[in-house]
Amino acid sequence: EVQLLESGGGLVQPGGSLRLSCAASGFTFSSYAMSWVRQAPGKGLEWVSAISGSGGSTYYADSVKGRFTISRDNSKNTLYLQMNSLRAEDTAVYYCAKEPVYYYDSSGYYHEYWGQGTLVTVSS
Amino acid sequence: EIVLTQSPATLSLSPGERATLSCGASQSVSSSYLAWYQQKPGLAPRLLIYDASSRATGIPDRFSGSGSGTDFTLTISRLEPEDFAVYYCQQYGSSPPLTFGGGTKVEIK
Repeated sequence: EVQLLESGGGLVQPGGSLRLSCAASGFTFSSYAMSWVRQAPGKGLEWVSAISGSGGSTYYADSVKGRFTISRDNSKNTLYLQMNSLRAEDTAVYYCAKEPVYYYDSSGYYHEYWGQGTLVTVSS
Repeated sequence: EIVLTQSPATLSLSPGERATLSCGASQSVSSSYLAWYQQKPGLAPRLLIYDASSRATGIPDRFSGSGSGTDFTLTISRLEPEDFAVYYCQQYGSSPPLTFGGGTKVEIK
């Protein structure tokens, strides 16, 4: 059974940093691309970032480019999202998601499985 | 960027009725790369349909997807109590970035 467990969310001040983690199990983690998708309170879904199975290719939404960094440690079956220069509009539940492919294309894929999410609140 | 518009915003129906949800795209979605997700309050989205009409693993056959180009439909043939939720469409494989629709809430009438 595929399981994705996010952690690392919390309250942070504007301009601050936070690192999210997503522990994966139930599949061969290194064989699949992964994504982060977020959902602001009461709002819809927004794709944030993606990474190929090897970690060699990364992709970002314009709204987070230059501030967020996606990475993965295939030896630990863990996906990360380093978030810097956080803004109030980054407040959201952040989900990690498994993609159906190894190589990620910039035009994206559907998200096969999702974690339960972790809440990030940016506020003073 | 492809904009997806879902209609209606809210659908009020009774258990056992048929639900028809629409998703319109501002540009043609290549190769029918469109997915549908179900989200219940406080839970993560769940993949229902991908490639416009392929059911994801474990999804009951009362859920079906159709459409191509700029017009797509999710049909729930007979609503079960557990089907009342918010549904999102998502396009991928076309011009980046991938995008989601604003959602349709299916509520109990």
